[in-house]
Amino acid sequence: EAGVTQFPSHSVIEKGQTVTLRCDPISGHDNLYWYRRVMGKEIKFLLHFVKESKQDESGMPNNRFLAERTGGTYSTLKVQPAELEDSGVYFCASSPTSAPQYFGPGTRLLVL
Amino acid sequence: RKEVEQDPGPFNVPEGATVAFNCTYSNSASQSFFWYRQDCRKEPKLLMSVYSSGNEDGRFTAQLNRASQYISLLIRDSKLSDSATYLCVAPLRGSTLGRLYFGRGTQLTVWP
Repeated sequence: EAGVTQFPSHSVIEKGQTVTLRCDPISGHDNLYWYRRVMGKEIKFLLHFVKESKQDESGMPNNRFLAERTGGTYSTLKVQPAELEDSGVYFCASSPTSAPQYFGPGTRLLVL
Repeated sequence: RKEVEQDPGPFNVPEGATVAFNCTYSNSASQSFFWYRQDCRKEPKLLMSVYSSGNEDGRFTAQLNRASQYISLLIRDSKLSDSATYLCVAPLRGSTLGRLYFGRGTQLTVWP
């Protein structure tokens, strides 16, 4: 069974530009999560989708971040405009009902 | 106060040694916990779930002390392949769904 996939694996952009990250969850998993790890800090929750609905977006840092999950399959996370402090590793995870979360390999974002 | 606090490490042990990591959590309502393992520049992978007083899986034993809000992970007969960062994880309000709170991780290096 294929795991969670994320694209791109790496992204280097300049401050002020826009970046869109994509996550494909494990097939059949209704729950999709975004997390972020900033250098030197712990992994932190960003938001949680159940199918196409946002269940919890309390971890989103500000309105420069926009997450979507149209059709309840893959999800995108857009950062516009990117700031230096947005640099980090963005992880996506998915789970079926009442099960641990399975993580993707992450997207390493560097904002210069 | 952070939701999850871990031993900072690093731990450097020889092959065959027994090593234990500790973790404390702040939400007394939490019912279940997880230990994830993260290899360098890889995604977190579930190692063990801890739902009651503790459980054992081969060389790995996780214990939970609700009175002290303390979780431990014991690794016996360490292997070179055990070298990784171990993440203590607590879900929100004890549910197995929803956001996860991560500790900063404890780094383990097993040397020959």
